[in-house]
Amino acid sequence: DTAVSQTPKYLVTQMGNDKSIKCEQNLGHDTMYWYKQDSKKFLKIMFSYNNKELIINETVPNRFSPKSPDKAHLNLHINSLELGDSAVYFCASSRGTGYYEQYFGPGTRLTVT
Amino acid sequence: AQSVTQPDIHITVSEGASLELRCNYSYGATPYLFWYVQSPGQGLQLLLKYFSGDTLVQGIKGFEAEFKRSQSSFNLRKPSVHWSDAAEYFCAVRGNEKLTFGTGTRLTIIP
Repeated sequence: DTAVSQTPKYLVTQMGNDKSIKCEQNLGHDTMYWYKQDSKKFLKIMFSYNNKELIINETVPNRFSPKSPDKAHLNLHINSLELGDSAVYFCASSRGTGYYEQYFGPGTRLTVT
Repeated sequence: AQSVTQPDIHITVSEGASLELRCNYSYGATPYLFWYVQSPGQGLQLLLKYFSGDTLVQGIKGFEAEFKRSQSSFNLRKPSVHWSDAAEYFCAVRGNEKLTFGTGTRLTIIP
């Protein structure tokens, strides 16, 4: 069983479109995250949810909107896609907001043309 | 604010040779440190972590890391690398509510 799964794995779209990435974890964790990995492999946190509540919101454009329908799911919706949004997006989860290790999904490679 | 520095962007070692990947962190309180590995086209896998206690921690795949508070370092080591160890390695520090990653070290293995 995949612990943290993401769909789709690849996403190619044009500028101005709206797209969503889905994430699900079956670990029973309370906290979930979205990270962005740029072309230089730099990983930066975007959002964190704990028990469906937003707890971390880094300086991310308003075009990015996370949604957590339940503890096991955290989706990322992106409006009006721009070239600079091209990156690999990783979902992760952890037992809680404390000092727990995070488990990562396989990533979604988003290419905006 | 916390930060992590991985001084080596790219390291090449021969199969069977020993390996050490460097990591320096900056954090005002007791650090919680991690090493993750990312194989090509894959997500990140946790290799090991340091929370407290013994400063030499063992991880998966034969890796170990040593926490040295005086040097603010958490270097990753492996006595004998295998071709399958070729990947990107990330050191991370857990600070105020979030995990901060270094820029990664790409490991190439030559036969």
